[in-house]
Amino acid sequence: GNSVTQMEGPVTLSEEAFLTINCTYTATGYPSLFWYVQYPGEGLQLLLKATKADDKGSNKGFEATYRKETTSFHLEKGSVQVSDSAVYFCALTISGGSYIPTFGRGTSLIVHP
Amino acid sequence: DVKVTQSSRYLVKRTGEKVFLECVQDMDHENMFWYRQDPGLGLRLIYFSYDVKMKEKGDIPEGYSVSREKKERFSLILESASTNQTSMYLCASSLRPASSYNEQFFGPGTRLTVL
Repeated sequence: GNSVTQMEGPVTLSEEAFLTINCTYTATGYPSLFWYVQYPGEGLQLLLKATKADDKGSNKGFEATYRKETTSFHLEKGSVQVSDSAVYFCALTISGGSYIPTFGRGTSLIVHP
Repeated sequence: DVKVTQSSRYLVKRTGEKVFLECVQDMDHENMFWYRQDPGLGLRLIYFSYDVKMKEKGDIPEGYSVSREKKERFSLILESASTNQTSMYLCASSLRPASSYNEQFFGPGTRLTVL
């Protein structure tokens, strides 16, 4: 089956620190990969996505590269802000398969001033 | 601006009550989903629907039912609420994909407490 594994949180950083949130996956077919973000008190929203190997998704200073050889899609940001404090979810869907995404369990990020 | 709205942000109900959670999307999406979100467990799919009057069970359908009479509206029903159904409930929608590229759009969530 399909699965997504994220590093457990919370991840606690000071403002302007470098962020990495690890995400690895297993998939029965060819996946598209997504990062969603959930700010406090809100639903999830798409942060970025990549649909084929070596693609880089980027948005709001966040980046993630689709690495087929390591089955990974790690989220990075060079300098985090307090406003980045949220829960981040890695997810995949399978090309030609079900339209139901497989989500990771989420990683909480706390950024201190 | 595209939107998924949920009828309540916070809801408090008593054990045994019948509870209705409503979700409406304005994007003409075919697919709609109900998830519950619990600390440490992430998102778990309760039910989904890929068309009007169509529904499919997700991973944890027990104790829930759904209704989709119109394309834009997807209701989650707790037939007899129990304390273990206290949770955050998230509704989502997506296009019927020609590929897997299409992301889900989420509502703000309903935090349900069952006393």
